[in-house]
Amino acid sequence: DAGVTQSPTHLIKTRGQQVTLRCSPKSGHDTVSWYQQALGQGPQFIFQYYEEEERQRGNFPDRFSGHQFPNYSSELNVNALLLGDSALYLCASSLEALAARHFNYGYTFGSGTRLTVV
Amino acid sequence: AQTVTQSQPEMSVQEAETVTLSCTYDTSESNYYLFWYKQPPSRQMILVIRQEAYKQQNATENRFSVNFQKAAKSFSLKISDSQLGDTAMYFCAFIINSGGYQKVTFGTGTKLQVIP
Repeated sequence: DAGVTQSPTHLIKTRGQQVTLRCSPKSGHDTVSWYQQALGQGPQFIFQYYEEEERQRGNFPDRFSGHQFPNYSSELNVNALLLGDSALYLCASSLEALAARHFNYGYTFGSGTRLTVV
Repeated sequence: AQTVTQSQPEMSVQEAETVTLSCTYDTSESNYYLFWYKQPPSRQMILVIRQEAYKQQNATENRFSVNFQKAAKSFSLKISDSQLGDTAMYFCAFIINSGGYQKVTFGTGTKLQVIP
């Protein structure tokens, strides 16, 4: 079933390095949201992409940036990694047309990328 | 600002018994959607049940049901006939449509352990 696919599943990086995480949305979905989930916490919204543009953003510094491609897939980039960036990064996809008509069936999530910064 | 509070960090229940997970939220919006997500060790967030705020009838999905009290801003999840596969983190969340955008807020989660 063409669910949300994230890669890689695990990643270890050194403080100060840069990382790119990838997400392919569920088939038919056109909106991608990224979340950071620290250990023992709920997901925190990073940003959302639609029509290849970032259209809303949570409380995250500019070190966090992203991109959406014409095929709706997305990347999350984090520069100058800090130890505190260690977390599970979740990608979620949805269909804008449903949200725009106020039909909200929630998001379809991937299994995340576990990033460890050492 | 929207907030979601899950006051039970951990809970346990005997297999086949019933358990209720609590969730309260705060928002000034009148139109929103409430969800319970399950996150097993596989890490994938799985939608368990959803509730439209404008509907008074409580949502039910098989063994899962909610008690939605809009005035009290409460949205609890009841799991009946608990199964070992229900062991997971459970997150309460709500989504509003604001200015054409969706905004989603998650709680901090409740870790549920089903005991054989």
